[in-house]
Formats: sequence, structure tokens, C-alpha cells
Amino acid sequence: EVRLVESGGALVQPGGSLRLSCAASGFTFSGYWMTWVRQTPGKGLEWVAGIAQNGVDQHYADSVKGRFSISRDNAKNSLYLQMESLRAEDTAVFYCAREMLRAYGQIDYWGQGALVSVSS
Amino acid sequence: EIVLTQSPATLSLSPGERATLSCRASQSVSIYLAWYQQKPGQAPRLLIYDASNRATGIPARFSGSGSGTDFTLTISSLEPEDFAVYYCHQRYNWPVTFGPGTTVDIK
Repeated sequence: EVRLVESGGALVQPGGSLRLSCAASGFTFSGYWMTWVRQTPGKGLEWVAGIAQNGVDQHYADSVKGRFSISRDNAKNSLYLQMESLRAEDTAVFYCAREMLRAYGQIDYWGQGALVSVSS
Repeated sequence: EIVLTQSPATLSLSPGERATLSCRASQSVSIYLAWYQQKPGQAPRLLIYDASNRATGIPARFSGSGSGTDFTLTISSLEPEDFAVYYCHQRYNWPVTFGPGTTVDIK
């Protein structure tokens, strides 16, 4: 069974930093593109960042470029999102997600989400 | 950026009725479009990938069609558990984008 479990969500002040983690199990983690998607309370889904299997190829949404950094540790079956210079508008539930192993693979599995609140 | 537009924003129907949801892309995404269902307090669940392929375990009443810029999700006969928000999603071009969602609620 594929499982993605996020951790690290917290209340943080504007300008602060936070690191989210995602523990993957039930599949060969090193073989998949992984991604972070966020959802503002009561709103829609926003893709944040994606990372290739080898960790070298990375893509970011313009809204987080230069502030967020995605990384992975294939030996630990873990995905990370380092968030710097956090703003109130970054408040959201952050989902770790796996992309399907196919051309232009869409997301097939999601974690349960981690809540990040940015407020003074 | 490829913008996905979903219509209608809200669809009010009764159990047993047919639901037809639309997703339009601002430029072609070929067949690389997915549909998700999300219920309150839960993560999204994959229903359809590559425009028309049902994900594992998804009931046959859910079907997807389309290619290029126009896509449709059809629920042939609504069950009580189908009342939820539905999102479309493209991974054909960076940045990855999602539609704003269609809420299917009980009439």
C-alpha cells in the first residue's frame, strides 16, 4: 500500500522558516517524480514544486521561487520542502504527492496534508 | 502557464441524476489531464488519468473524455457519496496547474 505521511507543519511568524518532511512507503520511492501541492483553507489546489527521481531536475511555482526549496533523500524514502521568508499568504495545507510513472504523469497518490500557518 | 477553467462552478443535482463537468485548457494538454474528487477534510483522490483512464478502484459510473483543450468528467448516476468537489489537473507543461474546482451538491 502506498503511503505518504507529511510532518513538520506548524504556526510560524511572517519572515520565518519551516521544513516539511514526507515519509514514503509501499513503493520504490527512488523511481518516482514527487511533488508538493498546497491548498489554502476553503480554496483550491496550487502546485508548489516538483522534483525528479535523481533530485537534480526541479521546478517551482513562481509564487515560491527563490523562497522554497524541494529536495529528497532516496536512501531514507523521504521528500522535503524547505520554506524561507514565509508570508501570510503561504498559510495552507501542504500535500506531498507522487506522480504516475508514465509520460507527463499526473498525481496518483496524496498524503493527508500538513498545516502551515503564518501569522504573528 | 496553462490555465484550466472548470464549469459550472456548482452543480446541484439529486442522487441518481447524471453529472457532466467540464474542464477547458487555455492551450493543448494533449490527453494528459486528470480528474480528482475531494471531500471535506480529506486529500484529493484520483479518479481519471490521461483524460479517459479510470484509476484503480474507481467505479464504472465515472468516465472521462476529451483531448487537446476540452475535457469532460461524467458521473452516470450520482450516488450519495459522490457529492464533493472535483478538480482537473494538467502535467503536460510547467508549471503544473489545477482547475478551480466544480462543487457537486445535493439539490
